Amino acid sequence: DTEVTQTPKHLVMGMTNKKSLKCEQHMGHRAMYWYKQKAKKPPELMFVYSYEKLSINESVPSRFSPECPNSSLLNLHLHALQPEDSALYLCASSHGQGHDEQYFGPGTRLTVT
Amino acid sequence: SQQGEEDPQALSIQEGENATMNCSYKTSINNLQWYRQNSGRGLVHLILIRSNEREKHSGRLRVTLDTSKKSSSLLITASRAADTASYFCATVGNTGNQFYFGTGTSLTVIP
Repeated sequence: DTEVTQTPKHLVMGMTNKKSLKCEQHMGHRAMYWYKQKAKKPPELMFVYSYEKLSINESVPSRFSPECPNSSLLNLHLHALQPEDSALYLCASSHGQGHDEQYFGPGTRLTVT
Repeated sequence: SQQGEEDPQALSIQEGENATMNCSYKTSINNLQWYRQNSGRGLVHLILIRSNEREKHSGRLRVTLDTSKKSSSLLITASRAADTASYFCATVGNTGNQFYFGTGTSLTVIP
């Protein structure tokens, strides 16, 4: 299984809502990543988990809260988002952190109203 | 910005022609990777070239790396309509903690 899955595919939420994005992989990868991508822009790294520990937080606002319950799962909890947070949120995984190729999920298209 | 810069931003070619896109970056790297992204979807890894390598091939893809110029190029030969996508280079720093995507090239292959 070389697939990274993400749910939901689409999410519309108000600025006062709390929601979560989910990501799962069963490739035995020990590093997992969250990226944010705006239209016609490259993905921007948000968080990196290595061996289930948060190793990189790229100065992301606290309204985004990552969680790694186990080596196969990665969540991104959302609270009090702003309309400018609307974007495609991509999850990726790799064998180890840093040097390896990354496998990406299809993304969650988030719209904040 | 720590991102790589890619050029051209957009490229339109006829099916069967070759497509070349370039990536320049700023800091020393462990490796450089190329990814493809179809519209609004996840990225697909194409090829990885290490800092001690100068050229690599994979099927119709040819990647070169010039660390002295801090630049890389991706050549797609005999292009197909299915190659229409955005292409991103990604640089990986020596500590492994820096992973940055370039600005991307949007390729359109006209049947």
